[in-house]
Amino acid sequence: QLQLQESGPRLVKPSETLSLTCAISVGSINTNDYRWVWIRQPPGMGLEWIGNIYSSGTTYYNPSLKSRVTISVDTSKNQFSLKVSSVTAADTAVYYCATRRGGSSRFDYWGQGTLVTVSS
Amino acid sequence: QSALTQPASVSGSPGQSITISCTGTSSDVGGYNYVSWHQQHPGKAPKLLIYDVSNRPSGVSNRFSGSKSGNTASLTISGVQAEDEADYYCNSYTSSDTWVFGGGTKLTVL
Repeated sequence: QLQLQESGPRLVKPSETLSLTCAISVGSINTNDYRWVWIRQPPGMGLEWIGNIYSSGTTYYNPSLKSRVTISVDTSKNQFSLKVSSVTAADTAVYYCATRRGGSSRFDYWGQGTLVTVSS
Repeated sequence: QSALTQPASVSGSPGQSITISCTGTSSDVGGYNYVSWHQQHPGKAPKLLIYDVSNRPSGVSNRFSGSKSGNTASLTISGVQAEDEADYYCNSYTSSDTWVFGGGTKLTVL
């Protein structure tokens, strides 16, 4: 059973870059069985798929965020990361890392989520 | 990409059955059998209830079931219980190789 944990700064200034890491404490990121996913949820609002990455490094992004988002994987550290550039208050949200089984809509493992606030 | 359409709220009394709809297009819900449903209690991470339209992960109650007709997917909760009061989100693969969530439905158990 995979275990995921998000980490990173909880407060980011407007126009700067938000950076988060998802550590996989049980299981390996170096597998073709899973896709590694970032999802966010603004306070009081719904879920938004940000993007995902394969262990090979192939990425897919939400078109509405694509110009500002980068997802990367570090197999040596068994973790994957999210960067969102030029943030505004609209990027304030709980950010979740999660997994999706390949060839499926099975988003079955989620981190606990971390609230990132964009404010000066 | 536009969010899938869900009712903002539904309600039911304990023991009743309720159904939450999730409407998309032929480019997402209607085009693929890659629809999932998640339950989210306040302050908690979402929990997978249904994947690939109608499959239930082990450990999820068989009171939860999923189906799809055309561009609309549905989640049915049979015998609603107080612990089912939560937000529910559908999710679908899209023709753009992306994923899209519904806006969420708040279930109130009366």
